[in-house]
Amino acid sequence: QQQVKQSPQSLIVQKGGISIINCAYENTAFDYFPWYQQFPGKGPALLIAIRPDVSEKKEGRFTISFNKSAKQFSLHIMDSQPGDSATYFCAASKESNYQLIWGAGTKLIIKP
Amino acid sequence: DVKVTQSSRYLVKRTGEKVFLECVQDMDHENMFWYRQDPGLGLRLIYFSYDVKMKEKGDIPEGYSVSREKKERFSLILESASTNQTSMYLCASTRNTKTQYFGPGTRLLVL
Repeated sequence: QQQVKQSPQSLIVQKGGISIINCAYENTAFDYFPWYQQFPGKGPALLIAIRPDVSEKKEGRFTISFNKSAKQFSLHIMDSQPGDSATYFCAASKESNYQLIWGAGTKLIIKP
Repeated sequence: DVKVTQSSRYLVKRTGEKVFLECVQDMDHENMFWYRQDPGLGLRLIYFSYDVKMKEKGDIPEGYSVSREKKERFSLILESASTNQTSMYLCASTRNTKTQYFGPGTRLLVL
């Protein structure tokens, strides 16, 4: 019930294409769903986050889509650029604490 | 800008050695975390601390201990390093919000 399942493990997308990474969770008590971006040699950094009262959140080329009934959420990167090449982690947590439950990560490569 | 620093970027240790990894944050955050990152396994929580001298076990505490004597500093200790502790270790901190701020990581190799 505590797991967050992330797919795919790796993804190659052509420059200008749409990158899509999916996550699924089981615990209905989760109410905060962030995505973190990690470049080689760096720690992860918050990219975008959503709460379950909305179905979509957009920040620039990055969009989170949230499906509460299916217990799934996904990250869409529009017009993907080589600079987006990184590892992406989804996570989830309950309002009552600051711990995050992490997905396994997706290594995204954008081909020029 | 929040800054989280880790004492070493790379470490090579021998099996059985005692290893200290240090993490310092400069934003007066209450909560600090130690994770290990392994390919295909994501980030796994080792220990976290929500106040000075307070600590709680995460998902994989076996073989590790922690120390938090000052608010800005959170240390991870490997009492007797083993080869299966070869990994990337990440420290993070947060105030009473959800956003965790990470250090650059320490890549530990145990021979």
